[in-house]
Amino acid sequence: DAGITQSPRHKVTETGTPVTLRCHQTENHRYMYWYRQDPGHGLRLIHYSYGVKDTDKGEVSDGYSVSRSKTEDFLLTLESATSSQTSVYFCAMTGGNTIYFGEGSWLTVV
Amino acid sequence: RKEVEQDPGPFNVPEGATVAFNCTYSNSASQSFFWYRQDCRKEPKLLMSVYSSGNEDGRFTAQLNRASQYISLLIRDSKLSDSATYLCVVLYPGNNRKLIWGLGTSLAVNP
Repeated sequence: DAGITQSPRHKVTETGTPVTLRCHQTENHRYMYWYRQDPGHGLRLIHYSYGVKDTDKGEVSDGYSVSRSKTEDFLLTLESATSSQTSVYFCAMTGGNTIYFGEGSWLTVV
Repeated sequence: RKEVEQDPGPFNVPEGATVAFNCTYSNSASQSFFWYRQDCRKEPKLLMSVYSSGNEDGRFTAQLNRASQYISLLIRDSKLSDSATYLCVVLYPGNNRKLIWGLGTSLAVNP
């Protein structure tokens, strides 16, 4: 296993509530990513990080924020969840030239 | 034109068949190329990297054509367990390690 885990794996939340997804890695890799994957859109980058406290926006960052206070943890926050944010969220990290993914977090906003 | 394009399929093939997928990319400065496999409701997993000279791993062969800006994946002697979505990903140059993903090609291998 690549040493990257996500939590929670499944969550149902109500519109307007804040949600935080956690990504944890044990490989001391510098680069980490948050993607969402939806039918017809494939994997879309939300935010990424290239080091502690160094983050940048991806192509679908609106409505999301991230934080990376430690190398091993990369948090994704939905400040006020909307139904359009119902999706599966994948965290990833790069080691060398290989991208490793977490198992995904299935989020449903009702 | 999308930065990375794949034929979505689905490709329906019988067991034992040979099947090939292509993936085209638009940035000629792209540095690295990969094929990932994704099973339903699972995370993508690395199938193989694609090297300039082409590379083979068992029944799988990957090739890169820089002049025409595409990569290919060939699967020989298809197995039922090869049924999945195959994602092409391209690494762009630069310090931010921008990864561009294709939408994937769906393969169904039938008995």
